[in-house]
Amino acid sequence: GIQVEQSPPDLILQEGANSTLRCNFSDSVNNLQWFHQNPWGQLINLFYIPSGTKQNGRLSATTVATERYSLLYISSSQTTDSGVYFCAVGFLLDTGNQFYFGTGTSLTVIP
Amino acid sequence: GAGVSQSPSNKVTEKGKDVELRCDPISGHTALYWYRQSLGQGLEFLIYFQGNSAPDKSGLPSDRFSAERTGGSVSTLTIQRTQQEDSAVYLCASSFGFSEQYFGPGTRLTVT
Repeated sequence: GIQVEQSPPDLILQEGANSTLRCNFSDSVNNLQWFHQNPWGQLINLFYIPSGTKQNGRLSATTVATERYSLLYISSSQTTDSGVYFCAVGFLLDTGNQFYFGTGTSLTVIP
Repeated sequence: GAGVSQSPSNKVTEKGKDVELRCDPISGHTALYWYRQSLGQGLEFLIYFQGNSAPDKSGLPSDRFSAERTGGSVSTLTIQRTQQEDSAVYLCASSFGFSEQYFGPGTRLTVT
């Protein structure tokens, strides 16, 4: 079956540090997103990035579809960055479209 | 316009009762998705509606779960004869075609 693996599972950072989160997937994807789930459970869109590189402020993401991975970069981390980061991948299949979430990276930023 | 909305925000029900969860997608979005998130876990894909096409039900965990989408807009997820293992947060998302999904705040279901 399709696998979506995220690493690391847990990460503790000092405020101001940088980090890289990784998402590996087992098949070619048609759709990939990164989300931040805040402590209240709300999923916040970070990037829609099935391929290429995007930047938004202190965050950036790169997806290398041919090598089946995506990276999320967080620079100059802040305490408000704490939460769980998920990647989600989607596949257009003959049997119907399917979506899979990774198991997440739990980030804690300490002051 | 407004984002994805879900109701109720919280639902406590007794084991064996039926529950209905509602999702209002973003206006103009053609696709609607339901997911389930158990405590401390990732998201489990349940079902996907695209336009007026028949939904992909392959992710529904049992035949006690069903979903419909009326008029290509509002969707209802129904769980019959609820069990304690159904306790979770049920999340709805919508998108325009097969593209970026936007999530609602979720419905927290507790089965006692």
